[in-house]
Amino acid sequence: DIQMTQSPSSLSASVGDRVTITCRASQTISNNLNWYQVQPGKAPKLLIYAASVLQTGVPSRFSAYRSGTDFTLFISRLQPEDFATYFCQQSHGTPFTFGQGTTVEI
Amino acid sequence: QVQLVQSGAEVKKTGASVKVSCKTSGYYFTTFYLHWVRRAPGQGLEWMGWINPNSGATDSAQKFEGRVTMTRDMSTNTAYMELRRLRTDDTAVYFCARVNDYTWGNYDYWGQGTLVTVSS
Repeated sequence: DIQMTQSPSSLSASVGDRVTITCRASQTISNNLNWYQVQPGKAPKLLIYAASVLQTGVPSRFSAYRSGTDFTLFISRLQPEDFATYFCQQSHGTPFTFGQGTTVEI
Repeated sequence: QVQLVQSGAEVKKTGASVKVSCKTSGYYFTTFYLHWVRRAPGQGLEWMGWINPNSGATDSAQKFEGRVTMTRDMSTNTAYMELRRLRTDDTAVYFCARVNDYTWGNYDYWGQGTLVTVSS
């Protein structure tokens, strides 16, 4: 199975901050990497797919890029509604494994 | 609009089975794969498997093989996930999710989640 190592597991930030979350794949997965936001008690929401493509309707303060097997999610100018847990997911091959998640706290 | 509506919460005893439904609407049911993902309390997301609603073909994570069955009913545009021989560590919220693009495996619509609680 492809392992996804996500860091940090949690971080504290303030409204207006820039946040960086990273995921490293255990093997090459091309651009088959998606990012999701999970609010408490809600279903996950797709933010980014194909490593760097912003899902329709997602604010442009979210961005992401890939460097080899390293993937990074950026949130610029953190907003109150951005305090949530974020997961990366590889879709290169089954099982579609997720990172451990990063909780962004106030 | 696209909707995935799941069945309600379930409480089960260890060793029992649970069957969760995912009723879809707002799009052609047979066009998009459906995956199942779960999240145990305080844990991350765990991929369980997928079903091709057109052919009925399925694939599941090895850890669930022999315990999970995914099916679909094309007459009602509904997918089902049955998990057997439940254990307490199967307690989780179970989600169905639609794959928007087969190339990228990205989930653009999700069900609201079904809490399955397993006790001994």
